[in-house]
Amino acid sequence: QSVLTQPPSVSGAPGQRVTISCTGSASNIGAGFDVQWYQQPRGAAPKLLIYGNTNRPSGVPDRFSASKSGTSASLAITGLQAEDEADYYCQGYDTSLGYVFGSGTKVTVL
Amino acid sequence: QVYLVESGGGVVQPGGSLRLSCAASGFSFSTYGMHWVRQTPGKGLEWVSLISYDGTNQYYADSVKGRFTVSRDNTRNRVFLQMNSLTTDDTAVYYCSKMAIYGQSSIYFHYWGQGAQVIVSS
Repeated sequence: QSVLTQPPSVSGAPGQRVTISCTGSASNIGAGFDVQWYQQPRGAAPKLLIYGNTNRPSGVPDRFSASKSGTSASLAITGLQAEDEADYYCQGYDTSLGYVFGSGTKVTVL
Repeated sequence: QVYLVESGGGVVQPGGSLRLSCAASGFSFSTYGMHWVRQTPGKGLEWVSLISYDGTNQYYADSVKGRFTVSRDNTRNRVFLQMNSLTTDDTAVYYCSKMAIYGQSSIYFHYWGQGAQVIVSS
């Protein structure tokens, strides 16, 4: 059972906007620790998508954006494309557990 | 281009041992900490261990503390994970990952290898 809770799945048509929530608590996101997001296509390794709550590494399209507020964070994908179909994970730090990951969200492009 | 290649995975009986290796290239290996992370279908992604850039500091998840040992050889650009007293709960794909720091203290997982499958079964 993950410390950071994500919806199991979200879906959208090409071109649409989808959002993925990541809900934590006072011992992780709410404690001020940064949130990262990773994209994992089926059968591949995770890839860094967002670091430091809102920052995109070079090469990540600006269709991906993220925010953090209180004990939650969220990832938004605008202009959804077929290549965005993958699992997405949030990641943070917990004062008791150390580095923690979200439960993961499967994004399906309809 | 950063490359991380894990090796050493396989099938082992409960109570057995296995040593994973991760070969790194494309960056100044001796100046970066390195993580191990594992993934199972049931439990998702789980951080396992972190070793500092010079090997002097090691950190472990409670689930592996006392059984797993992380080490590195900066002359060969490799990081290792020695896994002892394995149980079926250790069955997973194991990834090595290059550590990165944002701001003053935010540590995250910048680049990932392709993973090594470890199966613990009798």
